Amino acid sequence: SQKIEQNSEALNIQEGKTATLTCNYTNYSPAYLQWYRQDPGRGPVFLLLIRENEKEKRKERLKVTFDTTLKQSLFHITASQPADSATYLCALYTYGQNFVFGPGTRLSVLP
Amino acid sequence: GAVVSQHPSRVICKSGTSVKIECRSLDFQATTMFWYRQFPKKSLMLMATSNEGSKATYEQGVEKDKFLINHASLTLSTLTVTSAHPEDSSFYICSARDATSGSYNEQFFGPGTRLTVL
Repeated sequence: SQKIEQNSEALNIQEGKTATLTCNYTNYSPAYLQWYRQDPGRGPVFLLLIRENEKEKRKERLKVTFDTTLKQSLFHITASQPADSATYLCALYTYGQNFVFGPGTRLSVLP
Repeated sequence: GAVVSQHPSRVICKSGTSVKIECRSLDFQATTMFWYRQFPKKSLMLMATSNEGSKATYEQGVEKDKFLINHASLTLSTLTVTSAHPEDSSFYICSARDATSGSYNEQFFGPGTRLTVL
């Protein structure tokens, strides 16, 4: 069956460290993968998109990798700040299907 | 740019009544809008895809007669929860694709509507 998993429901890290979030999928062949940030009681906000033929994308302190062999994407936040605390969702897009979201990882950056 | 609004942000209703939620793209045209449902600490579940001027496409297990979707213009889609029951209480989020920009792959999400059915 098809499945999307994100490494942990919650992740606590110290301010200034790099946060690494994992998204694994099974029985999908995504054309691209996206990462979103969601704050409590708010809709998700788009962060980054990475295509199946791309290995890595960067945007300011954010970095995403995509390994279609491992069926995994890693999302990194460097020099993390308390303001980065939120839930982060990965989403897959497969041609002929719609977006499918992972369950999310709740990140807490401790001062 | 690329702002999506939802109205209302919160609604409380009695069991058996119907509730309409509006989703608007404020500064772009959206030929496609999506409606999601999210339970506490759970991910978004796609309910239906709404295409302007045509019938919505519902995901498996979503009752089309229960969740009526209308997408009458390029900037407005509505979701009506008919004969609401307590189990319909949830966070409903819409998203829209900008049909005219190069960011076809990007979805812009609304702020969500918290529905509580008593």
